[in-house]
Amino acid sequence: SQTIHQWPATLVQPVGSPLSLECTVEGTSNPNLYWYRQAAGRGLQLLFYSVGIGQISSEVPQNLSASRPQDRQFILSSKKLLLSDSGFYLCAWSVRQGRSGANVLTFGAGSRLTVL
Amino acid sequence: TQLLEQSPQFLSIQEGENLTVYCNSSSVFSSLQWYRQEPGEGPVLLVTVVTGGEVKKLKRLTFQFGDARKDSSLHITAAQPGDTGLYLCAGAYKGGQNFVFGPGTRLSVLP
Repeated sequence: SQTIHQWPATLVQPVGSPLSLECTVEGTSNPNLYWYRQAAGRGLQLLFYSVGIGQISSEVPQNLSASRPQDRQFILSSKKLLLSDSGFYLCAWSVRQGRSGANVLTFGAGSRLTVL
Repeated sequence: TQLLEQSPQFLSIQEGENLTVYCNSSSVFSSLQWYRQEPGEGPVLLVTVVTGGEVKKLKRLTFQFGDARKDSSLHITAAQPGDTGLYLCAGAYKGGQNFVFGPGTRLSVLP
């Protein structure tokens, strides 16, 4: 079965420090991978998505970056965090449902980042 | 730019009541999904609708996709405290590879 792992679950970092959030997927190959950010109790904002190794598309310009060094590994990074980077970060992968034929998202458990 | 709106933003009801939440857009989507999210966790898929006018039922939850594939509704019958959570709709675009989310409806069902 497919599973998605995301870590760390919680992170408190000072302004100006670097960031690395990691996401790995098991049980599938060549998945589409996504990083979303969620403000407190609100909807999800797409940050990056990837359709393959080394292929990254950015939806929102900012001081964050993403990399996909392996097929099932997706990393979210920053060289210098800002206060506005605080939030709940969610990694997801998409798979085509057999019955509907539509792509659907499966999310990790999320990483709560607080920048002080 | 695809945008999804959801209403109401917040809903607090008593156990046993019925409710409907709405998801609207001016854009056409290849499919639309509904997710439920609990605090501190990732969203979990409830249903996918693909065909205009489609209706799907999941126990006490009924989902409908608008004829023009621009809007959707979620109806819950006899709500229970376990239905409490943030309900998110998401529309698929770019050949179904990408997704835009609505801001969510936060539902609280009181015992």
